[in-house]
Amino acid sequence: AQSVTQPDIHITVSEGASLELRCNYSYGATPYLFWYVQSPGQGLQLLLKYFSGDTLVQGIKGFEAEFKRSQSSFNLRKPSVHWSDAAEYFCAASTGGFKTIFGAGTRLFVKA
Amino acid sequence: GAVVSQHPSWVICKSGTSVKIECRSLDFQATTMFWYRQFPKQSLMLMATSNEGSKATYEQGVEKDKFLINHASLTLSTLTVTSAHPEDSSFYICSARPSQTSGNTIYFGEGSWLTVV
Repeated sequence: AQSVTQPDIHITVSEGASLELRCNYSYGATPYLFWYVQSPGQGLQLLLKYFSGDTLVQGIKGFEAEFKRSQSSFNLRKPSVHWSDAAEYFCAASTGGFKTIFGAGTRLFVKA
Repeated sequence: GAVVSQHPSWVICKSGTSVKIECRSLDFQATTMFWYRQFPKQSLMLMATSNEGSKATYEQGVEKDKFLINHASLTLSTLTVTSAHPEDSSFYICSARPSQTSGNTIYFGEGSWLTVV
């Protein structure tokens, strides 16, 4: 069955430190991959997406993600975290049918 | 960028009543829209795929007679929660895929909070 796994339920990072959020997918073929951020009580904001081509994808707010086919991973990174980055982050995947499957989410806490 | 609007943003209804949530694509046409439900501190679960002019496709375990979906136009899909109960209280989010695109980008609405009392 198709699935998206985010192993970390929550992560705490000091402000200014680097961040990496993990995401693994299980699909028959390489799906389209996305990272979304959700602030409490809010909708989703797309950070970045991977369809094909360059495996290092740049997104908004200084985020980037790297697609690694051999590891079925699409990890999100940011070199220096800001307090405003505290939120819930969802990795998601979809195929040609456009149905999007979401991971369980990773809650990011930023400490001063 | 493309905008998807949901209305209402939040609604409180009495148990046993029905409530309708609208999802509109404001600046593009969407043949296909999707409805998700998100319980507190949980991920988004796809409920159904809404197709303009045809019946919605429901995910396994989702009661189609309870969650009525209508996609009457290329810019509007509605989700009606019938005979709502407290356990239906949740955050409902829709997304829409532009018809005039070959890509796989979909756009999400801001979500609608439903509280059934």
